[in-house]
Amino acid sequence: AQTVTQSQPEMSVQEAETVTLSCTYDTSESDYYLFWYKQPPSRQMILVIRQEAYKQQNATENRFSVNFQKAAKSFSLKISDSQLGDAAMYFCAYKPGTASKLTFGTGTRLQVTL
Amino acid sequence: GAGVSQTPSNKVTEKGKYVELRCDPISGHTALYWYRQSLGQGPEFLIYFQGTGAADDSGLPNDRFFAVRPEGSVSTLKIQRTERGDSAVYLCASSYGQGAEAFFGQGTRLTVV
Repeated sequence: AQTVTQSQPEMSVQEAETVTLSCTYDTSESDYYLFWYKQPPSRQMILVIRQEAYKQQNATENRFSVNFQKAAKSFSLKISDSQLGDAAMYFCAYKPGTASKLTFGTGTRLQVTL
Repeated sequence: GAGVSQTPSNKVTEKGKYVELRCDPISGHTALYWYRQSLGQGPEFLIYFQGTGAADDSGLPNDRFFAVRPEGSVSTLKIQRTERGDSAVYLCASSYGQGAEAFFGQGTRLTVV
């Protein structure tokens, strides 16, 4: 079974600084997708960034980028120039290429301070 | 609608009662998913619909849980004989297809007292 592990229950970053959230996963599949979702207090899960396992290039979306280490089964999220609006729960998620369901980690609560 | 809509936003029910949670997906999305998020946890998969049929219901915890999507649009998650352990946020998501990005609703917080 696939598992996703987020070992940082909480992280804190100062506004304008950079923070990295960690995620590791376990799978025997070769074709899969990895995601980072943001969940603010509104409860709605918002997709931040997505990475296809077959792509060696790390995905980037504006201030958000990932460090995808396939051999190590590691998928960390880097947030640059942190903003107050980035404060939320962040979930790492995995999806096999042939399946529909997402497997989520337990989340990291990110605080952004002035 | 513009996004995935879930009703009610919050539901409090007594142990043993029956509840229905509704999900209205984005128009045109054929895939619909239900997840359950317990306090302090990530969402856990319950069931996936492709059109009207349940393509994967492997996440339903027991036979008290059932979901339908009769016309391939709106879906209802039904929970019989609710237990306190069913208390959680129930999230619905929809997408154009299995591999497309899933868009989530704001969930229904179910509290069983």
